[in-house]
Amino acid sequence: AQTVTQSQPEMSVQEAETVTLSCTYDTSESNYYLFWYKQPPSRQMILVIRQEAYKQQNATENRFSVNFQKAAKSFSLKISDSQLGDTAMYFCAFSPMDSNYQLIWGAGTKLIIKP
Amino acid sequence: KAGVTQTPRYLIKTRGQQVTLSCSPISGHRSVSWYQQTPGQGLQFLFEYFSETQRNKGNFPGRFSGRQFSNSRSEMNVSTLELGDSALYLCASSVFGQAVANYGYTFGSGTRLTVV
Repeated sequence: AQTVTQSQPEMSVQEAETVTLSCTYDTSESNYYLFWYKQPPSRQMILVIRQEAYKQQNATENRFSVNFQKAAKSFSLKISDSQLGDTAMYFCAFSPMDSNYQLIWGAGTKLIIKP
Repeated sequence: KAGVTQTPRYLIKTRGQQVTLSCSPISGHRSVSWYQQTPGQGLQFLFEYFSETQRNKGNFPGRFSGRQFSNSRSEMNVSTLELGDSALYLCASSVFGQAVANYGYTFGSGTRLTVV
């Protein structure tokens, strides 16, 4: 079975600090995609960043970057210069290409940014 | 560009009743997926529809069903509600196939269903 594990149920950091959220996954697939989604109290899932497994270069989106280690099946999210608006649940999701891109989700990490 | 619209936002039903939830995808998106989110089980895939056809189905009992209309709007139905069906139901729309990997899914704000 393909699974996604987020080992940190909750994290809190001071505003402007850098925080890293961890994610590991288990699969025998070689072609897949990885995503980080953010779910604020408004409940809407918002795509933060995505990564193709066949690309070695780590994806970056402004203050958000990933550390993708394919051999270790690890996909951590780094948030630099954290802001109060980053407070949310963060979900790591895995999408194997042969599943019509269905998403398999981790349990989530609650991130609290303190002023 | 309008986002994904889910209605209603909140719903309270009694055990044994049935419920229908609605999802209007982003214009031009032909794929609609449904997910159930609960504190205990997390996010679980229910089913996906593309061009009015169910393409993928998760591991849920037959009480959970869905359909998609020609305008890509989708409905999800749960019959004979159980207390354990209380959850946030999220709908996600996407363009077809490979493009999903490029753009991800766009989610609605969900319908919070409470079964009493």
